[in-house]
Amino acid sequence: NAGVTQTPKFRILKIGQSMTLQCTQDMNHNYMYWYRQDPGMGLKLIYYSVGAGITDKGEVPNGYNVSRSTTEDFPLRLELAAPSQTSVYFCASSFTGSGYTFGSGTRLTVV
Amino acid sequence: DAKTTQPNSMESNEEEPVHLPCNHSTISGTDYIHWYRQLPSQGPEYVIHGLTSNVNNRMASLAIAEDRKSSTLILHRATLRDAAVYYCILDPRGAGNNRKLIWGLGTSLAVNP
Repeated sequence: NAGVTQTPKFRILKIGQSMTLQCTQDMNHNYMYWYRQDPGMGLKLIYYSVGAGITDKGEVPNGYNVSRSTTEDFPLRLELAAPSQTSVYFCASSFTGSGYTFGSGTRLTVV
Repeated sequence: DAKTTQPNSMESNEEEPVHLPCNHSTISGTDYIHWYRQLPSQGPEYVIHGLTSNVNNRMASLAIAEDRKSSTLILHRATLRDAAVYYCILDPRGAGNNRKLIWGLGTSLAVNP
């Protein structure tokens, strides 16, 4: 099993540009999450989903959007990128009663 | 949201046991205790979780206090590869919580050769 796959691994965006961070899991997990981690800090929850077609905001949702059309995929959309969105982004998934499985992260720089 | 308190950093010697403490005095009856670790430049990795009873797996052991207000992650023989940031997190399983984990800063564990 591949687990949780995130693409791209690195990206540089200019201010005002948009992009989509991709996340796919092959474990048939119902829960999926997007976190961001700033240098030296813990993870902050951006958005989460409890199943296909259901999404909800986390702690820091402003400037982001998500969709969950299938169980496997949970893309994160950045509209009008800002320097404050420079961070490492982690996607995670879990099943009821299990621990989380994380992807390897996307390192995003907005200049 | 329930929070946890961990020491900022700890140090251990290779091949010695390590006890990483965590306080969670506001834990509710349906909160599970999770531990994750994060190696440099990697995503967090699940270590262990439990509710009331002590738990063991191939990576570590989790000792949970009788009142559940604290727990300890035990690495039985530290190796250099165990140097990481260890996060103790409460996983709310109560109705309507949707398993949103709240992450603190964790404990940075250094392992000396």
